[in-house]
Parts: sequence; C-alpha cells; structure tokens
Amino acid sequence: QQQVKQSPQSLIVQKGGISIINCAYENTAFDYFPWYQQFPGKGPALLIAIRPDVSEKKEGRFTISFNKSAKQFSLHIMDSQPGDSATYFCAASTQTSGSRLTFGEGTQLTVNP
Amino acid sequence: DGGITQSPKYLFRKEGQNVTLSCEQNLNHDAMYWYRQDPGQGLRLIYYSQIVNDFQKGDIAEGYSVSREKKESFPLTVTSAQKNPTAFYLCASSSFPGPYEQYFGPGTRLTVT
Repeated sequence: QQQVKQSPQSLIVQKGGISIINCAYENTAFDYFPWYQQFPGKGPALLIAIRPDVSEKKEGRFTISFNKSAKQFSLHIMDSQPGDSATYFCAASTQTSGSRLTFGEGTQLTVNP
Repeated sequence: DGGITQSPKYLFRKEGQNVTLSCEQNLNHDAMYWYRQDPGQGLRLIYYSQIVNDFQKGDIAEGYSVSREKKESFPLTVTSAQKNPTAFYLCASSSFPGPYEQYFGPGTRLTVT
C-alpha cells in the first residue's frame, strides 16, 4: 500500500515533443507528491510538487496533473529539450509518515535533437 | 551558499572493512536521510533522522549504522556485514515538521572489492 508505481521505465522523445511520465499509488493518505530530476552521477533535484487540493500545477515547461479519484499523477514536459534528458522520479508522502518519502522506480528520459 | 555536502565523491575499500560516509548540511534542516541507489534503480531509504540524537531504520538498514550527534551532520557507516555495499549513496535533508521538500547532496560512489 505504500508503493508508488511509475511508468514507463524509459522514454525517448524528439526535441520539441511532449514527455509524459505517470505514477500511480494505492495509499489514499498520501498528501504530498513531488517530482525529482536526476542527471548521471548527480543527486536528484526537486523539480515540482503538488498537493491533492489542486488538479494541476505548472512551472515553466513542467506540469503536474493530479487525478485524486484515479489515484494517479503525471509529469508533462512541454517542448522537450535535449537538456531535459535525465532520470525522473515521482514520490509521495503522508502526514503520518512525517518527512519520509516513498519513491517510484524512475523513468529514464532521452530527448533526441 | 546553503546546501548539502557529501564527501568524498568516490570511495574505494577492500571487502571486510567498515567505511564512513560524510554528510553535512547548512540549511538548518531538522530531518536528514540516507538513500542507496543501484544502477538503473530507484532510491531506497537506509536510515533517517528527524531530530538530533534520534534516528529510524528505513527499508534496507541491515549492514548500515548512523549517528546524529549534531543537527548539521548525519554520517553513515557501511559495515562489513553489508553483503553488497558497492552503490551510489545519497544524503538528503528537509524541514520537519513540513514542508517536506527533500534536498539532496551530490552523492558518494562507493566501490568495495
């Protein structure tokens, strides 16, 4: 019940296209959903996060869509660029888990020029 | 500059030796975390601490030990009991209680032969 399932494992997109990464969860107590971006050999960096009181949050080319009834959330990268090539992780936490995050398995995104 | 530092970036050890990985933060965060990342895989929580002199086991604590004597520091010891210690180790920190955005260090790549 604590798992977060992420798909796809890998994604190849052409420059200028839209990259979409999906995550699904079972635990309805999750109330915080961040996305992280990780470049090879580096630590993950917080990209964008959402709470379940909103259905969408946009920051520049990055948008989180949240569907509470389906228990799913997704990351959309508009106008994908080669510099977006990285591994993306979704995560979730609950108030009762305190600060502990449950991470998805990650998606390796490649944006071809 | 506020942030998380991990040292060293690369560490090599012989099998049977204990090794301690350093993590320091100057973000004034109460909570700190240690994750392990294996090639092509997600982040697995080893230990976390939400307050000085207290810490909890994560999902894969066996063969690891930690201490939290200072708010700024959360060293991780990889003991000889850890069966497969070669991995990329990531330290993170966050506020506690909330918001729970975790900020990651640059990581330490440990190789044990």
